[in-house]
Amino acid sequence: DAKTTQPNSMESNEEEPVHLPCNHSTISGTDYIHWYRQLPSQGPEYVIHGLTSNVNNRMASLAIAEDRKSSTLILHRATLRDAAVYYCILTVYGGATNKLIFGTGTLLAVQP
Amino acid sequence: GAGVSQTPSNKVTEKGKYVELRCDPISGHTALYWYRQSLGQGPEFLIYFQGTGAADDSGLPNDRFFAVRPEGSVSTLKIQRTERGDSAVYLCASSLGRRSVQFFGPGTRLTVL
Repeated sequence: DAKTTQPNSMESNEEEPVHLPCNHSTISGTDYIHWYRQLPSQGPEYVIHGLTSNVNNRMASLAIAEDRKSSTLILHRATLRDAAVYYCILTVYGGATNKLIFGTGTLLAVQP
Repeated sequence: GAGVSQTPSNKVTEKGKYVELRCDPISGHTALYWYRQSLGQGPEFLIYFQGTGAADDSGLPNDRFFAVRPEGSVSTLKIQRTERGDSAVYLCASSLGRRSVQFFGPGTRLTVL
């Protein structure tokens, strides 16, 4: 299974954009890039996913490098409720399972 | 609508005892997953069900761990002869199919004394 590398922690100020990086240099052509986040004392929550093209939804944007060896999750205006651990995960759709392999993620702190 | 629910929310047991953890997936979701999360770590995959059958149990740590999903809906994770190292948050997730986004429950915090 291909691995991802993320910074252990990041800080942001409320109302400002946040760019969370993820490196996945061993990504294969069939790997989708997923982002989940986990708020304190809760289960992980799906944020966004993509394969090759940049993606936008109501929560965030996902920017994928042209060579797909890295990606960035963009929160356009951070709020205090966005303070969480953010996980970048590679998964293969169409494989035997859809299991998620989590790393340790990036702990995002949002200052008022 | 109702999300994934897990019961109990907390379970304290003694070393050597047997425990059962229950997961109620979102209605209509055919895929169900169990994960385990130790303090300070990301969740770790345990087992995946597609319908009633365990399609991938490669993450179960040993034969003390077993899970069932007899009617393709509710699932029970069973741990025999619990050890202190089994203490963790056990998370359940479900998805519409194996190609779909996973929705997680709040977890069951298991403490083995």
